[in-house]
Amino acid sequence: QKEVEQDPGPLSVPEGAIVSLNCTYSNSAFQYFMWYRQYSRKGPELLMYTYSSGNKEDGRFTAQVDKSSKYISLFIRDSQPSDSATYLCAMSAFPREYGNKLVFGAGTILRVKS
Amino acid sequence: DAGITQSPRHKVTETGTPVTLRCHQTENHRYMYWYRQDPGHGLRLIHYSYGVKDTDKGEVSDGYSVSRSKTEDFLLTLESATSSQTSVYFCAITTATYEQYFGPGTRLTVT
Repeated sequence: QKEVEQDPGPLSVPEGAIVSLNCTYSNSAFQYFMWYRQYSRKGPELLMYTYSSGNKEDGRFTAQVDKSSKYISLFIRDSQPSDSATYLCAMSAFPREYGNKLVFGAGTILRVKS
Repeated sequence: DAGITQSPRHKVTETGTPVTLRCHQTENHRYMYWYRQDPGHGLRLIHYSYGVKDTDKGEVSDGYSVSRSKTEDFLLTLESATSSQTSVYFCAITTATYEQYFGPGTRLTVT
């Protein structure tokens, strides 16, 4: 079993829809949670960064962390064709002690149709 | 883009030849990383560095070596390239607040 599980999709939605992307994990030591967006043939771009449990909102994006369920989510409101990309979750435990080595999910391909 | 550049951006090489990829950062971050990204495997850590001359292995380090003689440069070397090392290679840095940023990538093909 992988340490971080992420449905690879592809997930196809109409423009304007609310998108929910999810990851589950098995290591209860994870404390820092990230979402990256990666366009084709580009490097991953840090989208959201949260520490421990709770919600964080940035424009159309909301990141949720539920440590009790070992489950994280990224919500995209009013999705746009420009949101079409691969979304990667990543997490780390004790970044200072372990050099902030991230464990990544496999990525979910999102397609927003106009 | 956190001031990260990678060179070359594309390279085609033959099996058995040595290859060096360069990562350069302009913001004096202590931690630097090399990842490879392959379909079905996602991003996997090859090596990382926590300071000049301080490096450690990641998940998939076999066949790779690294060096960091200056804070701003982190080199990844394939001593004798194999077809299984055909991949996209990303360099990354971590900031003081533990945010990790990636470079634009190097697409390597070993024929």
